[in-house]
Amino acid sequence: QSVLTQPPSVSGAPGQKVTISCTGSSSNIGAGYDVHWYQQLPGTAPKVLIYANNNRPLGVPDRFSGSKSGTSASLAITGLQAEDEADYYCQSYDSSLSGWVFGGGTKLTVL
Amino acid sequence: QVQLVGSGGGVVQPGRSLRLSCAASGFTFSSYAMHWVRQAPGKGLEWVALIWSDGGNKYYADSVKGRFSISRDNSKKTLYLQMNSLRAEDTAVYYCARMDVGVTGTIYYYNALDVWGQGTTVTVSS
Repeated sequence: QSVLTQPPSVSGAPGQKVTISCTGSSSNIGAGYDVHWYQQLPGTAPKVLIYANNNRPLGVPDRFSGSKSGTSASLAITGLQAEDEADYYCQSYDSSLSGWVFGGGTKLTVL
Repeated sequence: QVQLVGSGGGVVQPGRSLRLSCAASGFTFSSYAMHWVRQAPGKGLEWVALIWSDGGNKYYADSVKGRFSISRDNSKKTLYLQMNSLRAEDTAVYYCARMDVGVTGTIYYYNALDVWGQGTTVTVSS
């Protein structure tokens, strides 16, 4: 059971919008620690998609956006494309564990 | 270019040891904290360990505490993970990743794991 909770799967048709939630607690997201999002394509290493809650690295399309409120964070993907089909992970720091934590991951299927 | 290249994986029997390495290039290795993150077959990402940029602080996941040891040689730009008393549940792809840490007064800001190695596979099986 992951410290950060994500839905196992989400899906959407090309062009649609999907949102992936990441629910934590008062010792991680709620404590003010930044949330980062990663995209993992099959057979490859994860890649940073959103850093520090709502910032995109150079090269990441503005179709991807992040937000954070209270003990939760969300990743939104608009204008879904076939190439967005991947696993997505949220990540933060947990002060109770004195360690870094990942969500369980969400598999995005583009219908 | 900025790169991390992991090595040292393989097939090992339960109870035995293995040492992973991660060679850095294209950036100032000694300026970054470094993580090991693993991914069991068909499963999600699991944080394993972190070492501070100067090697002064080390942190471990409960699942590996007392069995695994993270270290680094900044002169060789290399990160290590010594894995002892290996178990079947340690079977995974092991990734190294860098993380920048910001400090304001006594508050630390943990940035994203922004560069990842390609992963090295460890299989624990008799």
